[in-house]
Amino acid sequence: ETGVTQTPRHLVMGMTNKKSLKCEQHLGHNAMYWYKQSAKKPLELMFVYNFKEQTENNSVPSRFSPECPNSSHLFLHLHTLQPEDSALYLCASSQAREGTDTQYFGPGTRLTVL
Amino acid sequence: AQTVTQSQPEMSVQEAETVTLSCTYDTSESDYYLFWYKQPPSRQMILVIRQEAYKQQNATENRFSVNFQKAAKSFSLKISDSQLGDAAMYFCAYRSAGGNKLVFGAGTILRVKS
Repeated sequence: ETGVTQTPRHLVMGMTNKKSLKCEQHLGHNAMYWYKQSAKKPLELMFVYNFKEQTENNSVPSRFSPECPNSSHLFLHLHTLQPEDSALYLCASSQAREGTDTQYFGPGTRLTVL
Repeated sequence: AQTVTQSQPEMSVQEAETVTLSCTYDTSESDYYLFWYKQPPSRQMILVIRQEAYKQQNATENRFSVNFQKAAKSFSLKISDSQLGDAAMYFCAYRSAGGNKLVFGAGTILRVKS
């Protein structure tokens, strides 16, 4: 596997379900990110992890709970979501504090909340 | 706070022709990075080109080049010899030199006609 992978690619869940999104990076990076992409809106940064420590929470509701057990894996735990949370969730990684610190993205998880 | 504006919601170009996508940004910082990302229908966000603000020379990657005007806070993307595979949503993004948060524009849909 190369680059940034995300599973599942598609997820449909009810408002009372609990599910998790997984992201894995194979680039040796030390920073990982969650973004939300809704229709007709710019990408919104949700969380940033540098060296496994959360360094940014962009006022995200507590029904989204991130977890970064190591520098290669990032999870987004979901519970009691709302229909307006339906979106494409993108994970990215970068080598923070080095050069342009370019972020590389995964293919995304298309989430539908019923 | 920094903002990124892409004033063209949609653009069209004939195959083999040249097209320029516009991007302006607002910042009070002097050191930062700018990026263009491409998001095809597969939804995978792909880095197209990046520019360091301290470099006066415009970045070039094969058929893709930028016109970086620091004083005007403008960062346009020129695609030469357009190909059908260039059809996608293009996002302009800004990152401060001291941080790793990307600020995205709203995107421009590029259609390529054969």
